Amino acid sequence: GPKVLQIPSHQIIDMGQMVTLNCDPVSNHLYFYWYKQILGQQMEFLVNFYNGKVMEKSKLFKDQFSVERPDGSYFTLKIQPTALEDSAVYFCASSSGLISNERLFFGHGTKLSVL
Amino acid sequence: GDSVTQTEGQVTVSESKSLIINCTYSATSIAYPNLFWYVRYPGEGLQLLLKVITAGQKGSSRGFEATYNKETTSFHLQKASVQESDSAVYYCALSDPPMGYKLTFGTGTSLLVDP
Repeated sequence: GPKVLQIPSHQIIDMGQMVTLNCDPVSNHLYFYWYKQILGQQMEFLVNFYNGKVMEKSKLFKDQFSVERPDGSYFTLKIQPTALEDSAVYFCASSSGLISNERLFFGHGTKLSVL
Repeated sequence: GDSVTQTEGQVTVSESKSLIINCTYSATSIAYPNLFWYVRYPGEGLQLLLKVITAGQKGSSRGFEATYNKETTSFHLQKASVQESDSAVYYCALSDPPMGYKLTFGTGTSLLVDP
């Protein structure tokens, strides 16, 4: 079935550095999302993105976070600068629409370790 | 805010035995949220198992069932006879209609089926 690919699967970075997490969404999907899961906690909504713009973001989406999808390439989440509390698994998802019964397709996640 | 509480940690069931994973929800701003069960099989991304968007209805997939009970605010996942291939992590989730992309997840229940 359709797949969302996330690259890399694991990223280790020093606190204060910049990191970019990459997501290759399902090819005909128009809506993109990032979720964050801290170890032992629930997966939580960060942001959704459509037509080059952030549609909605949660309080977890700090000023240091940004998202973009330049020219239909990867959908990216950039954190600059990183902080220790950014250590988590980040899940990318995509969908073809926004309505209630629309199905989200998730990637495997990128584990970010900030040292 | 909204929250989902599900059976915590790991559940071990012998093959061919029955399974129930409890899920209750609290939707402070939503009278009738959409309810979902997602599953992550080993080595795979999170995927939708079943969803129910109408209170009182039952959803089913791959032998699993869950009934949307608005009186008890529950959405328990059940299967009459589990198989070893059902070993996975199961997540209960809700969303706020009509925008279904912003999912509130439970912490996940790891199911191990003993052969």
